[in-house]
Amino acid sequence: DAKTTQPNSMESNEEEPVHLPCNHSTISGTDYIHWYRQLPSQGPEYVIHGLTSNVNNRMASLAIAEDRKSSTLILHRATLRDAAVYYCILRVTTSGTYKYIFGTGTRLKVLA
Amino acid sequence: NAGVTQTPKFRVLKTGQSMTLLCAQDMNHEYMYWYRQDPGMGLRLIHYSVGEGTTAKGEVPDGYNVSRLKKQNFLLGLESAAPSQTSVYFCASSYGQGGSEAFFGQGTRLTVV
Repeated sequence: DAKTTQPNSMESNEEEPVHLPCNHSTISGTDYIHWYRQLPSQGPEYVIHGLTSNVNNRMASLAIAEDRKSSTLILHRATLRDAAVYYCILRVTTSGTYKYIFGTGTRLKVLA
Repeated sequence: NAGVTQTPKFRVLKTGQSMTLLCAQDMNHEYMYWYRQDPGMGLRLIHYSVGEGTTAKGEVPDGYNVSRLKKQNFLLGLESAAPSQTSVYFCASSYGQGGSEAFFGQGTRLTVV
C-alpha cells in the first residue's frame, strides 16, 4: 500500500495561516487523500479529503499537486483549538475494497 | 446521534487472558475497521470488514480475530493477550463509496500486564 510522509512537528502563531505538507509519492490513481486530526485522548476527526482537485470546506483547504505526489492542508487562521496531531491518510483501493492507511502525523503547536 | 461507540473504554488484562472489544455504529455503514495506536505512532490497521459476514486482514492482524455478525457491530477478539498488545484501539466506520470519510470511536485503552 502507498504511504505518506509528514514532518513530525510544526509550530504556528495564533491567527496566522498554517500549511501542513504531506508527501505520497507512491499514490495510485484511485487513492483518495484524506486529512484527519486527533486531539489528546480522542479518536481521529475528519478534516477534508480530495482526489485530484483542490478542496475547501469550513475547516480547511486542501491543495493537491498536479502529479498528486504531494498535498498541503491549509488552516487559514490557526486557533489554540487547532493544536492537534494532523494525519495525512490515503484511502486506498485494493481488489475493490477500501482501506485508510495512516502515516505518523504532524503535531501542530499553536502559540498564543 | 451516537456515531461510533466502543466498549469498554479502559481494560487491564493479565497475560494469557482473553477479551472482546465491541464497536457499534448507527450510521448504516458498510465498512468497519479496527486500528491500534502505540505511543508516538499513527494508527495501524488490524482487521477490517466490507460488509456483514465478511472480514479481512490489515497491516498487523496477528494475535487478533474479528467478527461481523451484524452490520452495525464489529468485534475484535484477543484470545491470549500479550504485553505487546498493550495499546489504544480505535474502531472506525465508513460508507466505502467514493472518497467517503471515516468516523472514529473514542478508543479503548488496553493494558496487558
